[in-house]
Amino acid sequence: SQTIHQWPATLVQPVGSPLSLECTVEGTSNPNLYWYRQAAGRGLQLLFYSVGIGQISSEVPQNLSASRPQDRQFILSSKKLLLSDSGFYLCAWNSGSANFYNEQFFGPGTRLTVL
Amino acid sequence: AQKITQTQPGMFVQEKEAVTLDCTYDTSDPSYGLFWYKQPSSGEMIFLIYQGSYDQQNATEGRYSLNFQKARKSANLVISASQLGDSAMYFCAMRGFNTNAGKSTFGDGTTLTVKP
Repeated sequence: SQTIHQWPATLVQPVGSPLSLECTVEGTSNPNLYWYRQAAGRGLQLLFYSVGIGQISSEVPQNLSASRPQDRQFILSSKKLLLSDSGFYLCAWNSGSANFYNEQFFGPGTRLTVL
Repeated sequence: AQKITQTQPGMFVQEKEAVTLDCTYDTSDPSYGLFWYKQPSSGEMIFLIYQGSYDQQNATEGRYSLNFQKARKSANLVISASQLGDSAMYFCAMRGFNTNAGKSTFGDGTTLTVKP
């Protein structure tokens, strides 16, 4: 069966510090991978998605970047965090065939607080 | 472009009663899928139910059913016999057939509170 991992679970970082959040998927190959951010009490905002190694698409301009160094690894980074980067970050995957009836499977999330 | 609207920020229901969470959508794709997810306070997103735009029957999964009205572009979630564990945030989402890389559009969610 497929599983998706995210770490760390929680993170408190000072403004201006770097960030690296990692997401890995097991039990599948060539998945589509996604990074979402969720502000408190709000819906999900898609930040990045990837259809393959080294292929990253950004949905919104921001202070963050993403990379996919391996097929089942997706990394979210920042060189200098802003207060507005605080939120709940969710990684998700779905089948690489991307049929429109494929639901997305989500990781447990990382709660980031920037002080 | 796709858009999901959930007009109920919060809903209350008595335990063992049924509740309907509203979702309306807009898309130019002729084929699409509609999804509902549950997010408890722990934060994980749990997939509940799927409805395809060409499905003739409304989707059902246990206590969850989807009231799909294509002409009205609505996909309301019905939870029957509510339980205390149903208290959570619920998100409606959609994906169009022509949507690149299977990206989904999510609504802002509805917080459901089940009262004992």
